[in-house]
Amino acid sequence: DAKTTQPTSMDCAEGRAANLPCNHSTISGNEYVYWYRQIHSQGPQYIIHGLKNNETNEMASLIITEDRKSSTLILPHATLRDTAVYYCIVRALYQGAQKLVFGQGTRLTINP
Amino acid sequence: NAGVTQTPKFQVLKTGQSMTLQCAQDMNHEYMSWYRQDPGMGLRLIHYSVGAGITDQGEVPNGYNVSRSTTEDFPLRLLSAAPSQTSVYFCASSWTGTANVLTFGAGSRLTVL
Repeated sequence: DAKTTQPTSMDCAEGRAANLPCNHSTISGNEYVYWYRQIHSQGPQYIIHGLKNNETNEMASLIITEDRKSSTLILPHATLRDTAVYYCIVRALYQGAQKLVFGQGTRLTINP
Repeated sequence: NAGVTQTPKFQVLKTGQSMTLQCAQDMNHEYMSWYRQDPGMGLRLIHYSVGAGITDQGEVPNGYNVSRSTTEDFPLRLLSAAPSQTSVYFCASSWTGTANVLTFGAGSRLTVL
């Protein structure tokens, strides 16, 4: 799997857009970018994934650069409930879910 | 539709005791797995299963056993608990077709004294 690099922590004001970066410069052509988050003491929650096109769902948007070496998860209107650790994971689609590697992630704090 | 259900939520064991953490899902997911999470660390894969009757080891399998007799259930057994197994355990499941989109349970916090 391609290695990912994320900032250790970030802060964002409530109501503003939270932009979480992820570098994955060794990503392969068949590898997707997945984002999960873990709110304190809860199980991780899937947010979104994408291959090369930008993706949007009810939770967030995912912007992947044209060279696919980095991506940004955008929470458009952050709320206090978005305070969590966010994990960026790169993996091929059919490589087997059971070997997803969750690194240290980014600890996002939403401030009132 | 309950998703992934883990029991118990909390458990305290003495060193050497055995116990089983239960995991059940009602989404007919083929994939199921167990992770452990220790303070300041990411999730580490213990064991996983790609379907009934099929299991395999993950990153940290020692001290744990699993079986998958039905699609719905994937219990994790600690044969002889050790303090190093004090952790929060998460069960997760997914479809084959969206294999990396995992649904996680709420977790089971285990303390071994």
